[in-house]
Amino acid sequence: EDQVTQSPEALRLQEGESSSLNCSYTVSGLRGLFWYRQDPGKGPEFLFTLYSAGEEKEKERLKATLTKKESFLHITAPKPEDSATYLCAPRPSARQLTFGSGTQLTVLP
Amino acid sequence: KAGVTQTPRYLIKTRGQQVTLSCSPISGHRSVSWYQQTPGQGLQFLFEYFSETQRNKGNFPGRFSGRQFSNSRSEMNVSTLELGDSALYLCASSTGTPDQPQHFGDGTRLSIL
Repeated sequence: EDQVTQSPEALRLQEGESSSLNCSYTVSGLRGLFWYRQDPGKGPEFLFTLYSAGEEKEKERLKATLTKKESFLHITAPKPEDSATYLCAPRPSARQLTFGSGTQLTVLP
Repeated sequence: KAGVTQTPRYLIKTRGQQVTLSCSPISGHRSVSWYQQTPGQGLQFLFEYFSETQRNKGNFPGRFSGRQFSNSRSEMNVSTLELGDSALYLCASSTGTPDQPQHFGDGTRLSIL
């Protein structure tokens, strides 16, 4: 059975304080791992796709990395506007996305 | 390029009623997936339609159904509403290949009284 665990559940950072979010997964035949950002009252917004172990993607203050069992979302010098819930979702071959429960990030000014 | 559009944004219904939600995908996208999001269960997959055919289905009762039209627009129907059906219902569209991302609308907030 496909499993996805995100940690921590919630994270509070001071502006400029870098940190990492973790996504551990057990899926067979991974076709991609997707990261999304979700703001309150909105749908998830696509951030990155990672396809193979060792791959890295960057966007502004965010960098996503992938191993065979985990993905990390590194946030460098975050700003209050980075506050959101971050969701990861691995996609097994021929099956639907399985979403983690998310990490709720709060960045304090 | 227009994003995924879901209507209505908010709905209030009572137990036992039925409801139909609508989703217009990004132009050119042939796959539409539906999800239910609640604080306790997170994002749960309902079903996926591709070229008017249901391609995948999650573990929801038969009260939840959907369809897709030839223009890729999709509708989701929930019959005999229960209090537990209160949730944010999200629609996502994609090209349909598994390694391509899904793009979400802002959802329909359904409240059951």
